Amino acid sequence: ETGVTQSPTHLIKTRGQQVTLRCSSQSGHNTVSWYQQALGQGPQFIFQYYREEENGRGNFPPRFSGLQFPNYSSELNVNALELDDSALYLCASSSTALVGNEQFFGPGTRLTVL
Amino acid sequence: DAKTTQPNSMESNEEEPVHLPCNHSTISGTDYIHWYRQLPSQGPEYVIHGLTSNVNNRMASLAIAEDRKSSTLILHRATLRDAAVYYCILRDGHIYTGTASKLTFGTGTRLQVTL
Repeated sequence: ETGVTQSPTHLIKTRGQQVTLRCSSQSGHNTVSWYQQALGQGPQFIFQYYREEENGRGNFPPRFSGLQFPNYSSELNVNALELDDSALYLCASSSTALVGNEQFFGPGTRLTVL
Repeated sequence: DAKTTQPNSMESNEEEPVHLPCNHSTISGTDYIHWYRQLPSQGPEYVIHGLTSNVNNRMASLAIAEDRKSSTLILHRATLRDAAVYYCILRDGHIYTGTASKLTFGTGTRLQVTL
């Protein structure tokens, strides 16, 4: 069973640019959530995708957007990057069929905005 | 969101048991208690969850107070590989998707394990 993978592992962008981060869910999982983790803080929920539609959003502006594909892989897009967007971006997959609905996290993408 | 309170940090010697406490006085009847941990340079990892009864798995045990207002994660024999930030999270067990199913992380307890 393949775990959750994310790419790239590290990324450096400049303010105002756009970035796309990718996530491959664990096999059989139909839900993917994205989290942002600033240094020294716990992860913060960005949004969740279920059946290829956004299904819940945290306190993040519309320049954070995403996609979920039929194979349950996902993308996180961030437009007009700001310095405060520098963080570790985590994706987590889960299945609505799992009792307890535990989430399985990838290793994250470290984004640095200069 | 229901809130939890955990100590910022704890220390343990290797091979000894560790009891990580969590207070959740505002827990509702449908909230499950989840524990995740995050090792250095990794994403969070599920550890255990429970509702009312104590739970055991290969990683840890979860002891839940009778009034459910507190719980304790027990690592029976700490190893250096258990050094991580441990998060105690409440989550509505009836909701599997959407914003209400999100994990709300606090700052957790940083566990240091020494030889």
